[in-house]
Amino acid sequence: DIVMTQSPPSLPVTPGEPASISCRSSQSLLYSNGHNYLDWYLQKPGQSPQLLIYLTSNRASGVPDRFSGSGSGTDFTLRISKVEAEDVGVYYCMQALQTPRTFGQGTKLEIK
Amino acid sequence: QVQLQESGPGLVKPSETLSLTCSVSGGSISGYYWNWIRQSAGKGLEWIGRFYTTANTRYHPSLESRVSMSVDTSQNQFSLSLRSITAADTAVYYCARGRLTENGGPYYYVMDVWGPGTAISVSS
Repeated sequence: DIVMTQSPPSLPVTPGEPASISCRSSQSLLYSNGHNYLDWYLQKPGQSPQLLIYLTSNRASGVPDRFSGSGSGTDFTLRISKVEAEDVGVYYCMQALQTPRTFGQGTKLEIK
Repeated sequence: QVQLQESGPGLVKPSETLSLTCSVSGGSISGYYWNWIRQSAGKGLEWIGRFYTTANTRYHPSLESRVSMSVDTSQNQFSLSLRSITAADTAVYYCARGRLTENGGPYYYVMDVWGPGTAISVSS
């Protein structure tokens, strides 16, 4: 299985400040078609996970443009340009290149 | 707007079979990949498997010997069966719809709609 490793585990952020979450995979997620099969999900408190970013950098429907994703191969980053209170929760990266799909252990974003 | 709702027994005895159902409302069950994911304190989010058709079903290798999934299009429901349950199967179980994208290739899907989850505890 592909192992996904996220950092940091916890991320306290002041509202209005940027935030960045790193995700590394144990093998390349770049496929021959040029796509990196890496998705990001956010699990808000008391809720189920929701899709944020797919194929590394595509925002899902309704996701604010303050969220962006980048990376290639084994290194990926989720950035929030200006954190808002509603962004609190646990962020997970997930690889979609191989079965079984595997998730990172999560990064808990909290407001300072 | 498509909504998913998991239903299950809540408490299951060790060695028994866990049966869960995901009811789909507001949309068709056909043409999508239907996934089960579970979340436990010890293992985080774990993808269990997905069903597209009977011939196109994939399971997590660690669960493959105990799991089966099916879809009932007449009821717009998606089901999970997990046999020989142990305490390690205690988790919140989610169903999620897998939707193909325009640009990800023929086999890539995003899990764009999730149910609220159902908590399953394994205890005698």
